[in-house]
Formats: sequence, C-alpha cells, structure tokens
Amino acid sequence: NAGVTQTPKFQVLKTGQSMTLQCAQDMNHEYMSWYRQDPGMGLRLIHYSVGAGITDQGEVPNGYNVSRSTTEDFPLRLLSAAPSQTSVYFCASSYYGLAGETQYFGPGTRLLVL
Amino acid sequence: DAKTTQPPSMDCAEGRAANLPCNHSTISGNEYVYWYRQIHSQGPQYIIHGLKNNETNEMASLIITEDRKSSTLILPHATLRDTAVYYCIVRGGANSKLTFGKGITLSVRP
Repeated sequence: NAGVTQTPKFQVLKTGQSMTLQCAQDMNHEYMSWYRQDPGMGLRLIHYSVGAGITDQGEVPNGYNVSRSTTEDFPLRLLSAAPSQTSVYFCASSYYGLAGETQYFGPGTRLLVL
Repeated sequence: DAKTTQPPSMDCAEGRAANLPCNHSTISGNEYVYWYRQIHSQGPQYIIHGLKNNETNEMASLIITEDRKSSTLILPHATLRDTAVYYCIVRGGANSKLTFGKGITLSVRP
C-alpha cells in the first residue's frame, strides 16, 4: 500500500490564482480530511468527508472547496489564492465509524502564495 | 471533545525514558486519549491510544490515571529520532474529529 499520497509537494502561487491540491489513499478508508498547519501552530481542520458524495466543513473552511466523487480521492481546491493561505497542507484518512481508529497522514503540500 | 493541556517543551537524554504528561480533566466516559507525533516537516504519525486501561505497543506506553483526568506517554528508550512535537488529543465518539493543539516539543539530547 502506498498509504496517503499528496501532490504536489511544493507550490508557489500568485494572489488570485487557483489550484487543486490532490490527495489519494489506497486503504479503502471512508473518512478523509484536510488540515492546514501554519508555522509554530497545531493542525487545523479545513474540510472532511465521511464517504463518497459527502463532505462537511471543519474549523477553517473559508477559501477552500472540496468534493468526494470516489472513495480514493479527496481534492482540495483554492479558487482565488490569498497570502493568508500560505501554509502546509496535510491530508488524512481513516476508517469511519470506529471509535478508537487511527488516522493516517500524507507527507504534506507546502504552499506559498505571493 | 475535551480539551488537553501539555507543557510546551521538555528534553531528555538519549537512552533514557521520556515521560510526556497530558491533562484532560474534562474528559467524558466515551472519549479516547490519542497520541500523535510530528517529526519536523512530516505528516503526523499515530503513536498510541487508550480509553481506560494502560496500553503498550512497539513505540510507546500510555498510562491513564484511574480518574482519567490525565495521562502520560512513555518512550522507554528515547533516541535522537524521537525528537518531535507530540500531540495529546482527546477524541469523542466514532464520528468526532481530531483536534490538534500546539503539543509538546520533545528534544532528545545525545
């Protein structure tokens, strides 16, 4: 298993540009989520999904869109990038509905918005 | 989900046990205690979790007090590669989310 993969590893955007951060998992996990991590801070939940076709907002959803058309993929879209979105983005997945299950994290995407 | 409190940092000598404390005084009966760690620039890594009983795996031991208001993560023989930020997280039922605080920075010195 490759686990959770994220692409790209690094990205530089100009203010106002759009892009999609890709996340894929091959563990057949129902639950997938996106976090951002700013320097010196813990992770904050952006959006999450409990299964294909179902998404919901996390703690900091503004400026981001998600969709979940398949179990494997959970892309995060920035429609109009802003410098405040400069951060490291982590995708995670786990089985859903199991108390005590663990989340598996991807390696992260480092985004710089100029 | 209950909130957790961790000291901001600690250090220990290589080869010694590292005991990382966590307070979660408002934990409720169905909430688990999780520990994750994040080595510099990498994604968080699951370490261990528990509900009431002490738990041990190949990475660490988790000691939860009888009243469940605090816990300790024990790395029995810390190595330099254990230098990381360690997050103690209390998570509720099956559908609740992980909430990361700032964690505790463990520095293992040679």
